[in-house]
Amino acid sequence: QVQLQESGPGLVKPSGTLSLTCTVSGGSISSSYWWTWVRQPPGKGLEWIGEIYHSGSSNYNPSLKSRVIISVDKSNNFFSLKVTSVTAADTAVYFCARGDIAVSAPADWGQGILVTVSS
Amino acid sequence: DIQMTQSPSAMSASVGDRVTITCRASQGVSNFLAWFQQKPGQVPKRLIYAVFTLDTGVPSRFSGSGSGTEFTLTISSLQPEDFATYYCLQHYSYPRTFGQGTKVEIK
Repeated sequence: QVQLQESGPGLVKPSGTLSLTCTVSGGSISSSYWWTWVRQPPGKGLEWIGEIYHSGSSNYNPSLKSRVIISVDKSNNFFSLKVTSVTAADTAVYFCARGDIAVSAPADWGQGILVTVSS
Repeated sequence: DIQMTQSPSAMSASVGDRVTITCRASQGVSNFLAWFQQKPGQVPKRLIYAVFTLDTGVPSRFSGSGSGTEFTLTISSLQPEDFATYYCLQHYSYPRTFGQGTKVEIK
């Protein structure tokens, strides 16, 4: 059974860079899945950030695209999210997830990590 | 972007009630429509994909229907563990977009 676990700082200063890692265990990141990031501001709904395939092919939400980079590390079986120039609006629980290549809607999710943007 | 609009945004229902949640897309999404359940403080759980295909282990009281731009999640007989927020997701085009959510509360 695959497990995904987010890690990274829980507090980021305004104008700084949010950096998170999603470690995959019980499965290979080189398998046929889209590796995805979704976020949820406190008390609000879900927002799709973007996804990456093990080949490096990626898709991003245009609302964030200029500030977001998603990368994959096949050697260490994890993928990462970086969001630059953060503001309080980026405060959210960030989830990593995976969806298979045929049905990209994510079926497996990490527990989520709360990232607060504050000075 | 394809906008996904759920209705209602919130509802009160009793155990045993039949519950219907609608998700409308601003343009056609073929059959690339999924439903998620999220309980407070928990991770979203995918219930249904490809409009009507139940994920493994999801009770048969959940069902999905629809096509094109209008989709429905139905719970045939609401159980105590079903009180949660439900989201639709279109994975037809980029960016993927979720509905705003429907909170099902106890009456």
